[in-house]
Amino acid sequence: EAGVVQSPRYKIIEKKQPVAFWCNPISGHNTLYWYRQNLGQGPELLIRYENEEAVDDSQLPKDRFSAERLKGVDSTLKIQPAELGDSAVYLCAKETGIRNTEAFFGQGTRLTVV
Amino acid sequence: GEDVEQSLFLSVREGDSSVINCTYTDSSSTYLYWYKQEPGAGLQLLTYIFSNMDMKQDQRLTVLLNKKDKHLSLRIADTQTGDSAIYFCAETILTGRRALTFGSGTRLQVQP
Repeated sequence: EAGVVQSPRYKIIEKKQPVAFWCNPISGHNTLYWYRQNLGQGPELLIRYENEEAVDDSQLPKDRFSAERLKGVDSTLKIQPAELGDSAVYLCAKETGIRNTEAFFGQGTRLTVV
Repeated sequence: GEDVEQSLFLSVREGDSSVINCTYTDSSSTYLYWYKQEPGAGLQLLTYIFSNMDMKQDQRLTVLLNKKDKHLSLRIADTQTGDSAIYFCAETILTGRRALTFGSGTRLQVQP
């Protein structure tokens, strides 16, 4: 099973600056997720894509966060402007398994806003 | 909405069995998962169980599901120091919202 590639692995930025994260689910899966994991907590959904369509973005703070998934493969997540509270690990995941019941995660991007 | 609860910390001696517990609130949950996260790493899927099952065994891992009490457990037999990590319980509903809802994780510490 090919993995999920995320970049960068680490990012430190000053508050009010923009930042972008990139995800490639490799073997091209229909369903892609972005999660945010705050320190000491489990991941929480930000957005779910089915191909190019964002089918669940109810948890995405739309005043500063945006995401896109062109051609239904790679995806980018952007924050503009970043706030101190955005410091977290941003995880990308794809669905896999026989019935697409398994979420396979990338290693994440650790964002620190100073 | 959905809620998943886990105890924060568990310490065991190497060679003992570990049991990590989880409770969830949504009776519509269809699949329940256990993920492992080592420091600085992403989430690794360990195992999952369909809601019409009450037990699943996979080598050293045994998952027990009590659907009536909405209680899920993960037993690790012969726990090794390499099992030290944070373990997350998660659930999903395969109709409508399909994203996983995670607990806050249980930190397992294995002492030699």
